Amino acid sequence: GQNIDQPTEMTATEGAIVQINCTYQTSGFNGLFWYQQHAGEAPTFLSYNVLDGLEEKGRFSSFLSRSKGYSYLLLKELQMKDSASYLCAVMDSNYQLIWGAGTKLIIKP
Amino acid sequence: GAVVSQHPSWVICKSGTSVKIECRSLDFQATTMFWYRQFPKQSLMLMATSNEGSKATYEQGVEKDKFLINHASLTLSTLTVTSAHPEDSSFYICSARDTSGYTDTQYFGPGTRLTVL
Repeated sequence: GQNIDQPTEMTATEGAIVQINCTYQTSGFNGLFWYQQHAGEAPTFLSYNVLDGLEEKGRFSSFLSRSKGYSYLLLKELQMKDSASYLCAVMDSNYQLIWGAGTKLIIKP
Repeated sequence: GAVVSQHPSWVICKSGTSVKIECRSLDFQATTMFWYRQFPKQSLMLMATSNEGSKATYEQGVEKDKFLINHASLTLSTLTVTSAHPEDSSFYICSARDTSGYTDTQYFGPGTRLTVL
């Protein structure tokens, strides 16, 4: 079966760095996505990785290792507004997105 | 990034009535759109995949006669919740697939909060 695993909840301190991990087992792979979802709002696109390595975009970076079925989202210089759920999703061989359950990130002052 | 709009943002209706939700891709053409439902503090649940000019593909357990999907153009898909009941109250979110760039990415609309009394 297809499976995406990520931690349910994480807590970090304002100004710090946090890494949210995602492991996956899917039928085929056409890219891995990270989305941010604030409570009561729809998800917003953060990043896309299809090749191994690190993609940096401002304070956010995303890493992919296809051989390990592993990705992480790295958030630097955390701000209170970064408190949200972070969703990992993999596009399978049918170009369908398989979603993780999301990681709720709590930022403390 | 690409922009997807959704209308209405929220709707309150009486039990037994039908509600139509529109999803539009504003600056790109989307041959494929997706409809999701999300209950409070739960994950996104894919309801159906909407392909322009053809019938939607529904996920297991989703009643196609209750959730009517029409994708009549490359920029518009509609979801009609027929004979709505209180248990249909949820956050409905659409996404549109943008394949025009170097990535194949889904962009989400802002969502529609449906409350059925």
